[in-house]
Amino acid sequence: EPEVTQTPSHQVTQMGQEVILRCVPISNHLYFYWYRQILGQKVEFLVSFYNNEISEKSEIFDDQFSVERPDGSNFTLKIRSTKLEDSAMYFCASSEEGVAGYTFGSGTRLTVV
Amino acid sequence: SQQGEEDPQALSIQEGENATMNCSYKTSINNLQWYRQNSGRGLVHLILIRSNEREKHSGRLRVTLDTSKKSSSLLITASRAADTASYFCATDITQGGSEKLVFGKGMKLTVNP
Repeated sequence: EPEVTQTPSHQVTQMGQEVILRCVPISNHLYFYWYRQILGQKVEFLVSFYNNEISEKSEIFDDQFSVERPDGSNFTLKIRSTKLEDSAMYFCASSEEGVAGYTFGSGTRLTVV
Repeated sequence: SQQGEEDPQALSIQEGENATMNCSYKTSINNLQWYRQNSGRGLVHLILIRSNEREKHSGRLRVTLDTSKKSSSLLITASRAADTASYFCATDITQGGSEKLVFGKGMKLTVNP
């Protein structure tokens, strides 16, 4: 069964450093998403991406965040200057037809120290 | 209550018993989805029920949706120890012209052998 692949599975970074979280969505999917889950809390929407542009972003997704689909297969989330409160599990998801039929990746656990 | 709020927040049962989880939401939805998450792991899509459906089955899972009460329930029959996980309901909503999933806080199910 097709999968959404996220790398790395765990990343530790110093506060203030830039991180790039990578995702390879399912190849025929057109809609891409990032969500995050702070430990013990609920999964929160960050951003949706379609047709090479952001469709919607939440208030969490401030100027420190950006997304890119650099080569037609990867979908990346960049955090420019990480803060302690950015520590969370970040999930990438893709779908073929909008939200119905999401496939989530297994997540990247980001730890900011 | 928040959009997509599960009830109860924690449930502990014996293997073989049925587990019922409820979800309430506030706004109009396109569909409602249930996800499962093992501790510290990724999100696994369980079942999706569209707004014009009232009940859906998948193996040992049964989902109901009552749009007049803005509520859904997930029933797991003949539970197994391996069903121990957190379960989330997520409502697919359209806001500002784009779709996204809004997750509840989750319900922790423990199935004792």
